[in-house]
Formats: sequence, C-alpha cells, structure tokens
Amino acid sequence: GAVVSQHPSWVICKSGTSVKIECRSLDFQATTMFWYRQFPKQSLMLMATSNEGSKATYEQGVEKDKFLINHASLTLSTLTVTSAHPEDSSFYICSARGADPFSYNEQFFGPGTRLTVL
Amino acid sequence: RKEVEQDPGPFNVPEGATVAFNCTYSNSASQSFFWYRQDCRKEPKLLMSVYSSGNEDGRFTAQLNRASQYISLLIRDSKLSDSATYLCVVNPGGNLIFGKGTKLSVKP
Repeated sequence: GAVVSQHPSWVICKSGTSVKIECRSLDFQATTMFWYRQFPKQSLMLMATSNEGSKATYEQGVEKDKFLINHASLTLSTLTVTSAHPEDSSFYICSARGADPFSYNEQFFGPGTRLTVL
Repeated sequence: RKEVEQDPGPFNVPEGATVAFNCTYSNSASQSFFWYRQDCRKEPKLLMSVYSSGNEDGRFTAQLNRASQYISLLIRDSKLSDSATYLCVVNPGGNLIFGKGTKLSVKP
C-alpha cells in the first residue's frame, strides 16, 4: 500500500526558532500533498494544499509567510514553521494523493509530527 | 452549521456491545464520504469508504443518506482494540473535511 513518512516525529524548540518538517511518499508519486494541523480534542484542520512544482494554496487564516511550504519533487514536501511561538505547538500531519484517477479521492497520511514550542 | 458534525461522545461500552455513530454534513454537493479511525497521538487511518447503497466490512457497517445528509457507522461485537476516535470525513470536491470525531472506549 501507499506509505507516507514524516520527519521528525516530534520536535521541541525555543520560541523564535524555525522548524522544518518533511513529508515523503515512499512508494508512489504524490502529485498533491496536504498539510493539516490538529490541536488537542479538535478536528484536523487543513492548512494548505501543494501541487508539485507550484505554489501552495493556503486556507483562510493560515499565514503563508509563517508556514512555508515547498513541494519541489513528486515524493517530498516540506513545511517550515518560521519564528515559532508556543501557540504553534500542535500535531502537524501531512497527507499525499497520487495521480491515479481510481484512487483520486484517497489521501494517505503520514504519522504526524508533534511540535512543542517552549 | 459546521461542515461536518458528529456525536461528541465519549461512548463507553462493554466488550461485545453494538455501538452506532452518527454524522451530518452541510454541503449537499459532497461526493465522497469516509470513516477514519484515529488512535491517541497518531495519524488518522482510513476505516472504510461510505457508499449510497450502504456497505459492510466485517463487524463494521456504514450507511449514507444523501437526502438527510447523514452518515452512520455501526460497530457490532465491539472489541477492546476498537477503542479509538472515529472521524467522519466528507469530500465536497477536492479536499477532505474532518469532523471532530467521536471517542469510543470499549471496556472489558
């Protein structure tokens, strides 16, 4: 089956630093990758959608200059949280979707990255 | 009205019980529907897709009522390992919209 990895699985950083999270599709080419954020006891909220080779599309209320997304290849997308603050502490999850029209509705999720900003 | 709304739970049930979760969605143009399972501090995993005709996978049965914009999940003969949060997910066209989830706790 389709496997998506994320790295790191958890990170603790000081306020003001930048953190980069990687999302990789291991056995398929991900034409589209999604970045979600989940606060405790809340639903997953879509932050942005990125298509390989183009700029990401951000959801309303998500600052594109704070959450930098790069999707430079069909197997890798990165999310960089710039100048992180304690309120950015959350569970960040990526998902990937391939180009196969038969599985177009299916997204494959990475294991998530737990970010704690002190 | 929230895009995807679920029973808040938690549902605490004994092993062997039958439990049902409900979900309503607001976008009548939604095309595809899913139930995901999320364990504590883990990513969501697809449990099953939901089709208009209803579908069953072992102990799990999903139903969709497009007229009422209502989705359900029935778990029969619940096991301890079924304890998790169950997320109702709707795709109105492109992106997945997640409900907040219903927490299920199956006790011995």
